[in-house]
Amino acid sequence: DGGITQSPKYLFRKEGQNVTLSCEQNLNHDAMYWYRQDPGQGLRLIYYSQIVNDFQKGDIAEGYSVSREKKESFPLTVTSAQKNPTAFYLCASSITGFSGNTIYFGEGSWLTVV
Amino acid sequence: EDQVTQSPEALRLQEGESSSLNCSYTVSGLRGLFWYRQDPGKGPEFLFTLYSAGEEKEKERLKATLTKKESFLHITAPKPEDSATYLCAVQESGYNKLIFGAGTRLAVHP
Repeated sequence: DGGITQSPKYLFRKEGQNVTLSCEQNLNHDAMYWYRQDPGQGLRLIYYSQIVNDFQKGDIAEGYSVSREKKESFPLTVTSAQKNPTAFYLCASSITGFSGNTIYFGEGSWLTVV
Repeated sequence: EDQVTQSPEALRLQEGESSSLNCSYTVSGLRGLFWYRQDPGKGPEFLFTLYSAGEEKEKERLKATLTKKESFLHITAPKPEDSATYLCAVQESGYNKLIFGAGTRLAVHP
């Protein structure tokens, strides 16, 4: 089935540790995104990529890093510089990076700092 | 500042009791308004895209409408399985960024 796969579903991070969330899509979409969701708040854009080997910062990029080496994959690394990383992380994709195209989401990953 | 506001924050309905959710927005140029449904612990599921004032779209018990300043998601004769958080997002002109509202938590009781 076509879709967006995020892993792991649940992840625990110790203080000072970097962790990486995986996102893979088989929809042949050019554009991919990472959003963060906190209780009672709207989704906020962390990073997005409109094409392979290119990505741009979103509204809350500090403490995060990404790579886009393959069209299908857009991993997100939560670094130790991110002071409040506990949240629900959502990966998404769309056909192209141009406005008007629908953005589809994966099932999400929960990150908790322990 | 560009903003998307959803109301009410939470809504409780009896099964069969129709109602509407509101999404008001202030952006300089609207390219699209999106409605999503999100179940607890899951990713948002796409429902509708609206592009211009006056446009309407329907899916089962849901109907979305759009004006120049707001969108409504009308739920007709809801069932318990319609219980979820409904998210509204607005797309600005020029690029693919979505601005999300905080959502409306809908609970439909038998």
